[in-house]
Amino acid sequence: ELKVEQNPLFLSMQEGKNYTIYCNYSTTSDRLYWYRQDPGKSLESLFVLLSNGAVKQEGRLMASLDTKARLSTLHITAAVHDLSATYFCAVAPRLTGTASKLTFGTGTRLQVTL
Amino acid sequence: EAGVAQSPRYKIIEKRQSVAFWCNPISGHATLYWYQQILGQGPKLLIQFQNNGVVDDSQLPKDRFSAERLKGVDSTLKIQPAKLEDSAVYLCASSALGVGPRRAEAFFGQGTRLTVV
Repeated sequence: ELKVEQNPLFLSMQEGKNYTIYCNYSTTSDRLYWYRQDPGKSLESLFVLLSNGAVKQEGRLMASLDTKARLSTLHITAAVHDLSATYFCAVAPRLTGTASKLTFGTGTRLQVTL
Repeated sequence: EAGVAQSPRYKIIEKRQSVAFWCNPISGHATLYWYQQILGQGPKLLIQFQNNGVVDDSQLPKDRFSAERLKGVDSTLKIQPAKLEDSAVYLCASSALGVGPRRAEAFFGQGTRLTVV
């Protein structure tokens, strides 16, 4: 059974600071996603990482994937209050001809304070 | 492009009652998912359809939950009878088959927040 672990579960950081969220998974994966969820809202796709060494950046967020270590990171640079949300990583096992289900991590609740 | 539509947005029922949720996926998406998200946790897959066939329902509590996707488009998820522990947000998602870097990426609806009292 695929297991996905995130840490930390909760992160309070000041504006302007940098920090990293970690996502570990237990079996070989085809794809890894990062999603953002605001309170009471649905999941918004941020990044799709497909191969070892993949790095994607959007604004103050940068995601990377190390398939050998089964580890993805979401790095936050110079945090701003608007980034406050819960961030989930989700992993799909290798595609076998049909679309694969996602297994989600527990989420990291990020709170950026002024 | 219209997103995944779900209704209702909120539902409050008493335990042992029944409830149904509806989902309309993104047009042309062959795969539809129902996820359960309990407060403070990540979403958990309940059932996955490809067109109108079930691909994975291994985590669906089949004694009380049922789902169907008639004609391979809209889907309904039913709970009968509901228990207190079914209180959660029920998220519907859809994805397209095919090739390319964003193949099988799931797009989520706004969810239905169910409270069982």
